[in-house]
Amino acid sequence: QSVLTQPPSASGTPGQRVTISCSGRTSNIGTNTVNWYQQLPGTAPKLLFYSHNQRPSGVPDRFSGSQSGTSASLAISGLQSDDEADYYCAVWDDSLTAWVFGGGTKLTVI
Amino acid sequence: EVQLVESGGGLVQPGGSLRLSCAASGFMFDDYGMHWVRQIPGKGLEWVSGINWSSGSAIYADSVKGRFAISRDNAKNSLYLQMNSLRAEDTALYYCAKGGCSFTSCYGKAAFDFWGQGTAVIVSS
Repeated sequence: QSVLTQPPSASGTPGQRVTISCSGRTSNIGTNTVNWYQQLPGTAPKLLFYSHNQRPSGVPDRFSGSQSGTSASLAISGLQSDDEADYYCAVWDDSLTAWVFGGGTKLTVI
Repeated sequence: EVQLVESGGGLVQPGGSLRLSCAASGFMFDDYGMHWVRQIPGKGLEWVSGINWSSGSAIYADSVKGRFAISRDNAKNSLYLQMNSLRAEDTALYYCAKGGCSFTSCYGKAAFDFWGQGTAVIVSS
């Protein structure tokens, strides 16, 4: 069982806005900044968003992240079929002195 | 362009050993911490180990502590993972990942900003 809790699945229609949640603890999300990754089928994970408001170059501004208290969320606006992928949150845990991942959310574009 | 190329995976019997390598290019290797992250096929991601820029600090997930050892050779722009006493549950795709800073963790920096394509490890008799 993962230290961070994500819903196993999410779905939306093209053009819609969807959000994916990530729930943790004071020792991780409550203290440190959350990273979000996208993993397209058969490929390595790719960094999408980190540190409250940082988006790597090349990542569309349709992707945004936020966090408050011990929870974080990834929002995807203007949903496209190419966004079908697994999404993971990750954060440093001060108590475990380790990086922890959420279990992942499979996004389906209907 | 950042490139990370893993090698060394394969089939090994339970209790055996394997050494993974990661060749890095396209960035100042000795300026960044590096990590190994694994993924059981069809399952989620699990961080395995990280090492800081100078090899002065190495950290491990509890699941591999005492069995795996991470190391790096900055002169060769290479990262390694020595895996001993392998178990069936270590079967996974192992990714090499570049850290977002010099250390194994830095507030406000990305955790793992570039990833390799992975090398598969199968532990089976």
